[in-house]
Amino acid sequence: GAVVSQHPSWVICKSGTSVKIECRSLDFQATTMFWYRQFPKQSLMLMATSNEGSKATYEQGVEKDKFLINHASLTLSTLTVTSAHPEDSSFYICSASSLFEAFFGQGTRLTVV
Amino acid sequence: DAKTTQPNSMESNEEEPVHLPCNHSTISGTDYIHWYRQLPSQGPEYVIHGLTSNVNNRMASLAIAEDRKSSTLILHRATLRDAAVYYCILQITSYDKVIFGPGTSLSVIP
Repeated sequence: GAVVSQHPSWVICKSGTSVKIECRSLDFQATTMFWYRQFPKQSLMLMATSNEGSKATYEQGVEKDKFLINHASLTLSTLTVTSAHPEDSSFYICSASSLFEAFFGQGTRLTVV
Repeated sequence: DAKTTQPNSMESNEEEPVHLPCNHSTISGTDYIHWYRQLPSQGPEYVIHGLTSNVNNRMASLAIAEDRKSSTLILHRATLRDAAVYYCILQITSYDKVIFGPGTSLSVIP
């Protein structure tokens, strides 16, 4: 079964609204989780590192005020896309690691209309 | 960060073995070689990893060159469900962030 669960699997929202995506580690505690974005026909791009109990670390070029990350517990990290616009439409994926491998969520397809 | 290079795409006939190459000439002594794959519209999944010795698991085999500057992921009998993008990644530990390159898009022909 899934070790990292992501919700929702897909979401459609209106331009200007905010959308929250949840990422849960089911079988282990994750002090660190990662958020990726993937556009069609492209590879995954790392957006940020989510650290439990502290601020997230964002990759260069990723707006921290637009992509809010909260990692309030060892099993849950959330990504909120604020004031979403059509160019934010993408496939968002989270991951968490255990000792030997990284586990990825099934992804969230965000469509902003 | 140490980088890897992979062919953009490969084709295989169903039920035949597939050898997916990866070059990592700048690999350091502490880097593990990991392979992940991403099926269409899904998140990536772990395939296999190794350090120096060849590795086998239920999904695949990993052959690592003696100088560790290259490796090959081997799928022993390709099935249609193996059609995916395969990523070769270097990590010191699995807790490190994974930086994805373009990967190899594998097509399996019935």
